[in-house]
Amino acid sequence: GAVVSQHPSRVICKSGTSVKIECRSLDFQATTMFWYRQFPKKSLMLMATSNEGSKATYEQGVEKDKFLINHASLTLSTLTVTSAHPEDSSFYICSASDFDRVPSYEQYFGPGTRLTVT
Amino acid sequence: GQNIDQPTEMTATEGAIVQINCTYQTSGFNGLFWYQQHAGEAPTFLSYNVLDGLEEKGRFSSFLSRSKGYSYLLLKELQMKDSASYLCAVRATGGFKTIFGAGTRLFVKA
Repeated sequence: GAVVSQHPSRVICKSGTSVKIECRSLDFQATTMFWYRQFPKKSLMLMATSNEGSKATYEQGVEKDKFLINHASLTLSTLTVTSAHPEDSSFYICSASDFDRVPSYEQYFGPGTRLTVT
Repeated sequence: GQNIDQPTEMTATEGAIVQINCTYQTSGFNGLFWYQQHAGEAPTFLSYNVLDGLEEKGRFSSFLSRSKGYSYLLLKELQMKDSASYLCAVRATGGFKTIFGAGTRLFVKA
């Protein structure tokens, strides 16, 4: 159990366009989802935390108007990179947690989305 | 501020034992995680420590000392497939946010 999927796995887009990345918990209801980005050979940087039905909480330095997060249901969160630029090229990873689950501390990671902006 | 330190790279030999250290300074503490990450893939959960002491799970063990802000991951009987990055992460606040270290790239050689 506890499978998280992301779609797409890879996307190439042109500068100035918007890209939507989906994160789904397949076999559990995720009370909280997290979005991370990771640069090559670097660690995961938390971008935002989202709870179903409420606004996402963004980390300092992350532009909320550029990285739009929607958590419309307990199994789906989306990250939209608006007006993408080459510097937004990165590996984006989501994770999902169900804090009513045992153990409650785990977060389950999706397989990641490689975004390349040309 | 929040700070998690771990070595950038380590090399070890197949069959050997390797210890990856992690020190942390965070605002509050609510558990420490170790994850394994292969290149281009998502992290996979290895261990969780919230109390001092050693947690053993097969070939992998993790140790925590909260007073020292210190943890280590011990990998025994190394296999080539253990070549990966190992991420130390701390759940720092009363909530659920997790802060990740930069990761230690482990190279296992024959």
